[in-house]
Amino acid sequence: DQQVKQNSPSLSVQEGRISILNCDYTNSMFDYFLWYKKYPAEGPTFLISISSIKDKNEDGRFTVFLNKSAKHLSLHIVPSQPGDSAVYFCAARRIRLNDYKLSFGAGTTVTVRA
Amino acid sequence: GAVVSQHPSWVICKSGTSVKIECRSLDFQATTMFWYRQFPKQSLMLMATSNEGSKATYEQGVEKDKFLINHASLTLSTLTVTSAHPEDSSFYICSAVSRGEQFFGPGTRLTVL
Repeated sequence: DQQVKQNSPSLSVQEGRISILNCDYTNSMFDYFLWYKKYPAEGPTFLISISSIKDKNEDGRFTVFLNKSAKHLSLHIVPSQPGDSAVYFCAARRIRLNDYKLSFGAGTTVTVRA
Repeated sequence: GAVVSQHPSWVICKSGTSVKIECRSLDFQATTMFWYRQFPKQSLMLMATSNEGSKATYEQGVEKDKFLINHASLTLSTLTVTSAHPEDSSFYICSAVSRGEQFFGPGTRLTVL
């Protein structure tokens, strides 16, 4: 049962424009959310995270928004750059002592066009 | 900091043989590591949680006798795919926990002929 869903398998955006990636979750017990970036044949690298006590977290060009009532989060990348072309995974977990298991979405492939 | 390596990065083996994949935390100690597999264009699927000094915890549907996990030290966990079959061909990724976050290795591509 997929508890984290990324319904858009791909996204194409022009360089300099905003990329918006969406993620929905079904488990209301999740209280920590992360975005990872992954290149082919490599492991995921952490991008940005947000706790359920916040609704926004910003780090440079990356901003994550959380809407708890809708069980929805989004990642905004602005401005998009060619190096942002990768697969982006949304992940979620419960914050519990010594429990670091993550549930991942299926990923969204972002292509930034020059 | 928080670098995780995997070895080998890719391996091709014959059906019926066993393959061992190593996951190392290079600059930190990790009592908890995770093993994932990823099929093309799909999500990372958690296979098991590897805890140093104790038995691994397997996710539902993952055969513990087929995917042997050993976490013998605070910097090394191994995944052995026993009697590999073509359907075991996949991209295997490990992660190690540091400061409450998972840091991922670069992955191992396994192809079983």
